[in-house]
Amino acid sequence: DVKVTQSSRYLVKRTGEKVFLECVQDMDHENMFWYRQDPGLGLRLIYFSYDVKMKEKGDIPEGYSVSREKKERFSLILESASTNQTSMYLCASSPHGGGSSYEQYFGPGTRLTVT
Amino acid sequence: QKEVEQDPGPLSVPEGAIVSLNCTYSNSAFQYFMWYRQYSRKGPELLMYTYSSGNKEDGRFTAQVDKSSKYISLFIRDSQPSDSATYLCATTSGTYKYIFGTGTRLKVLA
Repeated sequence: DVKVTQSSRYLVKRTGEKVFLECVQDMDHENMFWYRQDPGLGLRLIYFSYDVKMKEKGDIPEGYSVSREKKERFSLILESASTNQTSMYLCASSPHGGGSSYEQYFGPGTRLTVT
Repeated sequence: QKEVEQDPGPLSVPEGAIVSLNCTYSNSAFQYFMWYRQYSRKGPELLMYTYSSGNKEDGRFTAQVDKSSKYISLFIRDSQPSDSATYLCATTSGTYKYIFGTGTRLKVLA
């Protein structure tokens, strides 16, 4: 069974704080993703990583950075949290593909509130 | 036009009914199709994954892809109150770019 875990289920931070969200997967997947999910907007990709130390910007990278020092771990960093970053943050992983394998697995999510 | 369209619902059905959930997509390059179930305040859980056209069955769930009409369906037989959740369809052409529907809220009434 694929397991994607996220460091916190709920987080409350103040405006201007630096926030770290951590994600770990145990299936040796090459690809890892950070999304945010907001009502009416669906899932939006923040960043994607296809290998250690490699990253690509998604649709909404502004205000975020990421770090992938180990294959199983992908961190999302909010450099200076703002109230418009209050959201549900979802981490996901997927195998590299090839053949027909592109299914994506999600973690339980971190509900971040910035006050 | 959104690349993936999904009716947001809510869809209410009695227990035991057959549920049909649908998405349409616009890009013929999409080859891989997924259905997720998401309970309130939880992460999406992968239910079904299909490649290209055809049907795939897993217990009470059947996923169907019709590439000629760009239509994706999920059927739930003998629906249960525990099936009450939001169902998301998703697709990719095989790159890192996954396109998600906005989800259909399903309520199964006991």
